[in-house]
Amino acid sequence: QQQVKQSPQSLIVQKGGISIINCAYENTAFDYFPWYQQFPGKGPALLIAIRPDVSEKKEGRFTISFNKSAKQFSLHIMDSQPGDSATYFCAGAMDSSYKLIFGSGTRLLVRP
Amino acid sequence: EADIYQTPRYLVIGTGKKITLECSQTMGHDKMYWYQQDPGMELHLIHYSYGVNSTEKGDLSSESTVSRIRTEHFPLTLESARPSHTSQYLCASSKGVMNTEAFFGQGTRLTVV
Repeated sequence: QQQVKQSPQSLIVQKGGISIINCAYENTAFDYFPWYQQFPGKGPALLIAIRPDVSEKKEGRFTISFNKSAKQFSLHIMDSQPGDSATYFCAGAMDSSYKLIFGSGTRLLVRP
Repeated sequence: EADIYQTPRYLVIGTGKKITLECSQTMGHDKMYWYQQDPGMELHLIHYSYGVNSTEKGDLSSESTVSRIRTEHFPLTLESARPSHTSQYLCASSKGVMNTEAFFGQGTRLTVV
């Protein structure tokens, strides 16, 4: 059972553009929604995270938008740079279980 | 840079061999995890531990086993490797209080021939 659905699978954006990755979750008990960034040959690293009591969180060029009623959240990368080219994973977790349930990943390519 | 280490980084081994993938962290984290990552990117939780002498199977069934005798060490063992075990294995750890950042190792890419 896929509890977190992520789209698109791949994304190509021009430098300076906005990258948008979407996720939908099924488990309403999730109370922690992180985004991880993974470069080739590396493990994923936390990029930004949000809890369902806020609708938006911004850190630099990265913003999470959260819609609790729709059970959806998205990552926006403003002014996308070639160095942002990586695989991005959304995830959901319950505080009671500590287990991260990942989406299927999005390969982002930012063209110069 | 996360203080979590996996060895080996790459391993090519014959069918039927016993292997152990090592994972160590120096952050004193209680929670540790093993994820299997498909070539198609998806990350599947195969084992987790909430502390010493605590291990649980994850959401994806795996023939591997794990142990947690020391806080810092969480090795994964395959008693008899098969080509279907070929994958990337990622170890992670996190603090014990509520959901906080999970730190991942660089992974072990296993190929069974």
